[in-house]
Amino acid sequence: AQRVTQPEKLLSVFKGAPVELKCNYSYSGSPELFWYVQYSRQRLQLLLRHISRESIKGFTADLNKGETSFHLKKPFAQEEDSAMYYCALSGPRTGTASKLTFGTGTRLQVTL
Amino acid sequence: DAGVTQSPTHLIKTRGQQVTLRCSPKSGHDTVSWYQQALGQGPQFIFQYYEEEERQRGNFPDRFSGHQFPNYSSELNVNALLLGDSALYLCASSLFPYEQYFGPGTRLTVT
Repeated sequence: AQRVTQPEKLLSVFKGAPVELKCNYSYSGSPELFWYVQYSRQRLQLLLRHISRESIKGFTADLNKGETSFHLKKPFAQEEDSAMYYCALSGPRTGTASKLTFGTGTRLQVTL
Repeated sequence: DAGVTQSPTHLIKTRGQQVTLRCSPKSGHDTVSWYQQALGQGPQFIFQYYEEEERQRGNFPDRFSGHQFPNYSSELNVNALLLGDSALYLCASSLFPYEQYFGPGTRLTVT
C-alpha cells in the first residue's frame, strides 16, 4: 500500500529562519513525489515535483530513496510562505494521470 | 480560462439522501479525478475518469459513482448519504503527462 506521512501538523518559524517540512513515504517501486500548497482562501496548487528538480519560490525538495523521504526546504522563510503544505505521491506514469496519495498536511506559520 | 470549476460551492443534505456534484475541467484537459478531503486530513482519491470511463478507483464504496461527459466535464454522485460523507470534495483535471489542476471544491454537510 502506498502511504505518505507528514509528522508535523504545525510548523512555526520566524521570518528569515530556515524551513524544513518533513515528508516520508511508503511505496513498492519508483513513485513520483510532489509538494502541493494551499494559501488562505485559494485552491490547492502544485509547488514542485521531484522529476523537474526545480526551485519554486525558493523551495527545493530532494528525493532520498534510501530514507524514503522528500523533505521540503527553504533557506529563509518569508511571511507569504504561510500556508498549508501537502506532500503527495503517485505511481509510475501510464496512459492517464496516476492517482495522488496525500499526507495529512503541515501548516507553516511564518511570524515576524 | 477560469481553470477547474465546481458546483455548487456548498451543499447541505440529510442522511439517506442522494447528492450530485459537478466539475468542469480546465480547457484542454481530458482527465478528471475526484478526491474527498475530510476536516484535518489530506485529500483522498475517489476515482478518475478518462474517455468517459472510470479508469482508477480508490477505497470508496459503491455508493460513490461518477460520470464523464463527451465535453470532459464530470459528475460525482453519492447515494444513501452518511454523516461521515461530510467533507470537501475536490475535482482535479489533467492532460497526460502533465500536472493535475484542482478546483476550489464543494463543501458537503450531511445532517
